[in-house]
Amino acid sequence: SQKIEQNSEALNIQEGKTATLTCNYTNYSPAYLQWYRQDPGRGPVFLLLIRENEKEKRKERLKVTFDTTLKQSLFHITASQPADSATYLCALDTSNTGKLIFGQGTTLQVKP
Amino acid sequence: DVKVTQSSRYLVKRTGEKVFLECVQDMDHENMFWYRQDPGLGLRLIYFSYDVKMKEKGDIPEGYSVSREKKERFSLILESASTNQTSMYLCASTGGQGTNYGYTFGSGTRLTVV
Repeated sequence: SQKIEQNSEALNIQEGKTATLTCNYTNYSPAYLQWYRQDPGRGPVFLLLIRENEKEKRKERLKVTFDTTLKQSLFHITASQPADSATYLCALDTSNTGKLIFGQGTTLQVKP
Repeated sequence: DVKVTQSSRYLVKRTGEKVFLECVQDMDHENMFWYRQDPGLGLRLIYFSYDVKMKEKGDIPEGYSVSREKKERFSLILESASTNQTSMYLCASTGGQGTNYGYTFGSGTRLTVV
């Protein structure tokens, strides 16, 4: 069956460090992969999209990598801040039709 | 500021009631989606629509229906609410099929069925 896995345990890091979140998937050949941020009680907010033919994408302090051989994406936040504390979701479009399937998310806690 | 607006943030309904959840987007997007989000299960796709009067079943359509009479509005209907439909409901939209744009989500409706 199709599956997306994100670390279910919360990630706790110190302010200023780099946070790295992992998204693994099986039985897909996604055209692209997206990352979202979700704060408690709110809807997810789109952060970044990376295509299957891109290895890496950056936006300010964010960096996403996409390894279609390993079937894995890594999401990095450099120089993390307490305001980065949230749940981060990865999502895949498995059929290039704009229909996303979401992972369960990893909660990041950045301590001052 | 472009946005997706869901009509209610919190809703309490009784078992057996017919429930309407409304979603409006102001971005002229073709695609609209309804998800529900539950602890431990993540976001699950209920229904989606690629155009006016078009609808497609998602992964968990049972007990739900949808209506899209106008491009900007996508309604989710719980035909006869049950307690297992207590959840956070999220509406989203995006432009074009296979687009490389992300989804824009509403703030969500937390529905409690008692």
